[in-house]
Amino acid sequence: EVQLVESGGGLVQPGGSLRLSCAASGFSFSRYGMNWVRQAPGKGLDWLGYISSSSSIIYYADSVEGRFTISRDDAKNSLSLQMNSLRDEDTAMYYCARGKMGDGYGMDVWGQGTTVTVSS
Amino acid sequence: DIQMTQSPSSLSASVGDRVTITCRASDDISSYLSWYQQIPGKAPKLLIYAAASLESGVPSRFSGSASGTDFTLTISSLQPEDFATYYCQQTYSTRETFGQGTKVEIK
Repeated sequence: EVQLVESGGGLVQPGGSLRLSCAASGFSFSRYGMNWVRQAPGKGLDWLGYISSSSSIIYYADSVEGRFTISRDDAKNSLSLQMNSLRDEDTAMYYCARGKMGDGYGMDVWGQGTTVTVSS
Repeated sequence: DIQMTQSPSSLSASVGDRVTITCRASDDISSYLSWYQQIPGKAPKLLIYAAASLESGVPSRFSGSASGTDFTLTISSLQPEDFATYYCQQTYSTRETFGQGTKVEIK
């Protein structure tokens, strides 16, 4: 079964750091670009960034560039999101999502999400 | 960044109704447009990619079309399981963006 499972969420103080992980299974992880998307409580979807297969290309949304870092470990079938300088507005459900094979074809597999709460 | 504007923000419809949701891009995005369905408490699900291509396993009552910078998601006959929030997403630019969502509610 093709599956993505996020972990690492929790409560963190403003200014703090957190590292999220996404474990992939059931498909050839190294062949796919991967994304992070978040959703604040009661709000819409917010694309955070993308990492290509082989990590040669990484893009970020303006709102997180310089604070968040996306990386991957193909040997471990794992995707990561390092989040620094966290703000109240970073409180959200965080999803990892697989880029559908093909140029700009969207995200065809999603994890169940992990919750990040930034609060003092 | 390219802005994606969805309309309406919400709508009420009955089972069997034909429903149309529109997404307008602030700049040319060619056909780099995807549609997603999100049921409360669940992760989004890809419905349509490349503006008009139906994702595998998605019922054929869902369809997508494009005209310039205007994109449309149509549900030909609304079913009970279709009551959800729908999002468009542009994948043309290196900074991808979503529309604000359209909530489809039961009339």
